[in-house]
Amino acid sequence: QVQLVQSGSELKKPGASVKVSCKASGYTFTSYAMNWVRQAPGQGLEWMGWINTNTGNPTYAQGFTGRFVFSLDTSVSTAYLQISSLKAEDTAVYYCASPTWDWGQGTLVTVSS
Amino acid sequence: QAVVTQEPSLTVSPGGTVTLTCGSSTGAVTSGHYPYWFQQKPGQAPRTLIYDTSNKHSWTPARFSGSLLGGKAALTLSGAQPEDEAEYYCLLSYSGALVVFGGGTKLTVL
Repeated sequence: QVQLVQSGSELKKPGASVKVSCKASGYTFTSYAMNWVRQAPGQGLEWMGWINTNTGNPTYAQGFTGRFVFSLDTSVSTAYLQISSLKAEDTAVYYCASPTWDWGQGTLVTVSS
Repeated sequence: QAVVTQEPSLTVSPGGTVTLTCGSSTGAVTSGHYPYWFQQKPGQAPRTLIYDTSNKHSWTPARFSGSLLGGKAALTLSGAQPEDEAEYYCLLSYSGALVVFGGGTKLTVL
């Protein structure tokens, strides 16, 4: 069955960077796009964008350009989300989702001094 | 960017029926928006209930159904159970491979 297993919670200081991983199994990784979704505390789901797992080409939603980078390591069926210059407002749970909106368990990123 | 709208909150009695809707600021929702519906309970990741308007996953309870209704996507719950109390999100796909979530509907079973 499809499984998306994400890396563990992170506590970072403002200005630092974080890299969240999402390891896929149970399907052909390069056949389906990987989506990334943010959920701030007490808020709704916000689509961040997706990465073409065949070409590595990313598409970023409005508001997620510049500091947010999607990447892949297809040799280990893993997608990554890197956020640089972290701000307090980046505090959220980040989810990966693929192939037909199966979800990872989420990764809590907390940005605090 | 399109805005996807949902009822902020709804209440249904146990055993009752309720319909949640999902509208688009760009006009009528069609099957070409490939509507999805997700259920999220506190502290849990979302779970897909309905995909491509009306298709169910193997884990989707039979009491949930998806459709198009009056220019919107709709999720109908027939025979609500206490465990259906959750937040429900819809998702619509737009040209350019862009995706937008609705703001969510908090469903109370009371």
